[in-house]
Amino acid sequence: ETGVTQTPRHLVMGMTNKKSLKCEQHLGHNAMYWYKQSAKKPLELMFVYSLEERVENNSVPSRFSPECPNSSHLFLHLHTLQPEDSALYLCASTPDSRDNSPLHFGNGTRLTVT
Amino acid sequence: ILNVEQSPQSLHVQEGDSTNFTCSFPSSNFYALHWYRWETAKSPEALFVMTLNGDEKKKGRISATLNTKEGYSYLYIKGSQPEDSATYLCAFTVTRSGNTGKLIFGQGTTLQVKP
Repeated sequence: ETGVTQTPRHLVMGMTNKKSLKCEQHLGHNAMYWYKQSAKKPLELMFVYSLEERVENNSVPSRFSPECPNSSHLFLHLHTLQPEDSALYLCASTPDSRDNSPLHFGNGTRLTVT
Repeated sequence: ILNVEQSPQSLHVQEGDSTNFTCSFPSSNFYALHWYRWETAKSPEALFVMTLNGDEKKKGRISATLNTKEGYSYLYIKGSQPEDSATYLCAFTVTRSGNTGKLIFGQGTTLQVKP
């Protein structure tokens, strides 16, 4: 149990669908992150939220829309995705986004866009 | 463009062998280096966070060293066991503010330990 839970574990969606990824942490952390790992590429930061405020948006296309309703929950809303968006999406948290704490990761959602 | 290089990309060793791999990063404006272990079907797990030149950290049979002047870190595994099989990721940051949020990851070194 990592303390960071992601659902669903696997998701297959068509290009016209709308779906959401969910992340929940019960570690009392104030910062949450979305990372993407495409095949054969390094982990790539997408978004950072600190105390429910977005502090980093790493040039991510608008078809990915994050939401952080409170410091324990983070969503990634997906709409009109492309096949090249198929990847593993990892959520992570830290006590604070400004210190050097290591990331606590969830198990990820494996997304396939058909 | 800031880049992290890890070598080798993959490694196969026999149980009991000791092994090491490298993480290279730009040395200017260095702030911190992280090492993570990522086992198949699990989440990445933090091993070390290192900030000082010459730093050496140890966790059981795994240790890491850091050279910020020349821009590299080594991860060592002594007496590899099958349960050490995983992908080992390193990541670094260069700025003081928003550090963990600005981690830049390498592609990882995948280790397979054969019994």
